[in-house]
Amino acid sequence: KNQVEQSPQSLIILEGKNCTLQCNYTVSPFSNLRWYKQDTGRGPVSLTIMTFSENTKSNGRYTATLDADTKQSSLHITASQLSDSASYICVVSASGGSYIPTFGRGTSLIVHP
Amino acid sequence: DAGITQSPRHKVTETGTPVTLRCHQTENHRYMYWYRQDPGHGLRLIHYSYGVKDTDKGEVSDGYSVSRSKTEDFLLTLESATSSQTSVYFCAIRSSGGDHYEQYFGPGTRLTVT
Repeated sequence: KNQVEQSPQSLIILEGKNCTLQCNYTVSPFSNLRWYKQDTGRGPVSLTIMTFSENTKSNGRYTATLDADTKQSSLHITASQLSDSASYICVVSASGGSYIPTFGRGTSLIVHP
Repeated sequence: DAGITQSPRHKVTETGTPVTLRCHQTENHRYMYWYRQDPGHGLRLIHYSYGVKDTDKGEVSDGYSVSRSKTEDFLLTLESATSSQTSVYFCAIRSSGGDHYEQYFGPGTRLTVT
């Protein structure tokens, strides 16, 4: 069964600090991995997408890494801001078939001033 | 937001009543999805569509039905709402682009069944 596990479940950091969120998956055959940011009361918004051949992707202060061998990904947030407070969701898709992605349960990040 | 709207945005209904949620897209995408999001569960797929009149079940489809009579609209119906269906419902579309395809989400519908 395809699974995506995220850690930590929640995280509190001070404004200006860096943090790293983790994602482990067992989806096969692998097609792509996406990180989403979901603000409270809104739909998820894509931050990065990586395929098998890509091991790093950046979007401003967000940098995602992918190790397809160990089936792990991380999302690094640099110089956090209050607006980074949100849920971050890792989503992995298998190739072929009906394009049904597998969602992680998300990491809730709170940035305090 | 890839031109996705959902209606209504909020709804309170009573147990046993039928409820229909609407998802509308303006960009002619073939794939559309309905998810529900609950604390501790993340996003779970209810039903999806891969074309007009072509739909299939997701992992939590019991108690839900869908219809897609035209490309731009994907309807989710709760035939007889139950309290366990209180949730936030998100519609999504899949863009084209091979392995770099994106999934864009609507703003969500908060449904409360009393």
